[in-house]
Amino acid sequence: EAGVVQSPRYKIIEKKQPVAFWCNPISGHNTLYWYRQNLGQGPELLIRYENEEAVDDSQLPKDRFSAERLKGVDSTLKIQPAELGDSAVYLCASSVGHLEGYTFGSGTRLTVV
Amino acid sequence: KNQVEQSPQSLIILEGKNCTLQCNYTVSPFSNLRWYKQDTGRGPVSLTIMTFSENTKSNGRYTATLDADTKQSSLHITASQLSDSASYICVVRTQGGSEKLVFGKGTKLTVNP
Repeated sequence: EAGVVQSPRYKIIEKKQPVAFWCNPISGHNTLYWYRQNLGQGPELLIRYENEEAVDDSQLPKDRFSAERLKGVDSTLKIQPAELGDSAVYLCASSVGHLEGYTFGSGTRLTVV
Repeated sequence: KNQVEQSPQSLIILEGKNCTLQCNYTVSPFSNLRWYKQDTGRGPVSLTIMTFSENTKSNGRYTATLDADTKQSSLHITASQLSDSASYICVVRTQGGSEKLVFGKGTKLTVNP
């Protein structure tokens, strides 16, 4: 089993540029989460999907962040335009059901310069 | 406010020594508590999960305790190894109508030879 796969592992962009992260969850996991983790902090939930439906996006900064999970499998998180404060690790996680048996991906480390 | 506080923020020990990490929470209503290990550049990996009725749970050299009355948990690492160097994150799940996970900021453990 490959686990939760994220790409890219690292991304460096200039501020005001767009960026996208991709996540492939574990097969059969209906629930998918995007988290942001700042240095020395715990992960903070951005959005939760149940299949293709975003059921909790209350913490997603919708002015610049967007996400999609069109077929209920892979997901993409986009930032446009990126700001310096967006530098963080973006983690994707999946589970069979909400709050059950989380598996995290290795994350994408974003640096905005 | 639901919060999870971890201490110490960082810890340096010598290989072979034991250590104990602390987690205090104010999350209510409580469902369960997990300890995660996060290696540098990787996503968190679950070590143990404890429910309200469990006081102690072991996973190899890791032993977690839970005192639901005082809302405290600890993670004890025995005979530390260099590979134990990581951040250890305490995560508490709420229950009820708006279930969610509340993450601590983690304890960064460094095991030196």
